[in-house]
Amino acid sequence: EIVLTQSPGTLSLSPGERATLSCRASQSVTVSYVAWYRQTPGQAPRLLIYGASNRATGIPDRFSGSGSGTDFTLTISRLEPEDFAMYYCQYYYTSQWTFGQGTKVEIK
Amino acid sequence: QMHLQESGPGLVKPSETLSLTCTVSGGSISSYYWSWIRQPPGKGLEWIGYIFYTGTTSYNPSLKSRATISMHTSKTQFSLRLSSVTAADTAVYYCARVGGANSFWGQGTLVTVSS
Repeated sequence: EIVLTQSPGTLSLSPGERATLSCRASQSVTVSYVAWYRQTPGQAPRLLIYGASNRATGIPDRFSGSGSGTDFTLTISRLEPEDFAMYYCQYYYTSQWTFGQGTKVEIK
Repeated sequence: QMHLQESGPGLVKPSETLSLTCTVSGGSISSYYWSWIRQPPGKGLEWIGYIFYTGTTSYNPSLKSRATISMHTSKTQFSLRLSSVTAADTAVYYCARVGGANSFWGQGTLVTVSS
C-alpha cells in the first residue's frame, strides 16, 4: 500500500509570496499518475496538476509541479486570495489510489 | 462541458446500505476512471473505489469489501453501494472522473449515518 505524506501541515504566507508544498510517497511511484488538487471550503477539489508536472486545463501558470520517484512538489509562484485553501496530492495507478492528508495554506 | 451530479438519501441508519447514484451529463462514460471519493466532516479525502469504462472495478481495501460500484446500461450513470454503514461512514460523498488534463467532480452530497 502506497502512503502519501504531505508537508508541511499548514503553511502561513502572505498574498504575493511563493508557496512550496511537498508530497512524499512511501515507495517509488509512476509520475504519470501523480496529481495535485486545491479545495476551498464547501467546494469540490479542483485539479491543478496531472502527471506530476502538467497544468490542468484552465490552470494559471503560477502553479507548477515537479518531482519523480518518491518526492513531488507543488509550487505556487505568487499567492492570490483564492489560493488560500487546502491542497491534496493524489496517486491513481491501477488499484493503488490514495490521497495525501493535505496541506493548508493560510493567510499570515 | 461535462457535469456530474450525486443523488441519494442524506440519512442512512446504522447497519443499513448507503446507495448513491452519479448522473453524468455533457458526455458518456467512456475512457477514464469513474470514481467515488468521500470526505468526513473536517477531514481529508478518501478514495472509495472506481469503475473503468470497460467495467473493471477496484476498491479501497480499508472498506473491507463493503463497497460496490456499478455502471448503468445507459452509460450515463454509475452507482455506489456501501453496506453495513456506521457513524464512521458519515461524509460528503463525491463522484468524479479522474484522468488526464481534465477532472470533473460532482458538488458532493452529505450522507449522515444515524438512527
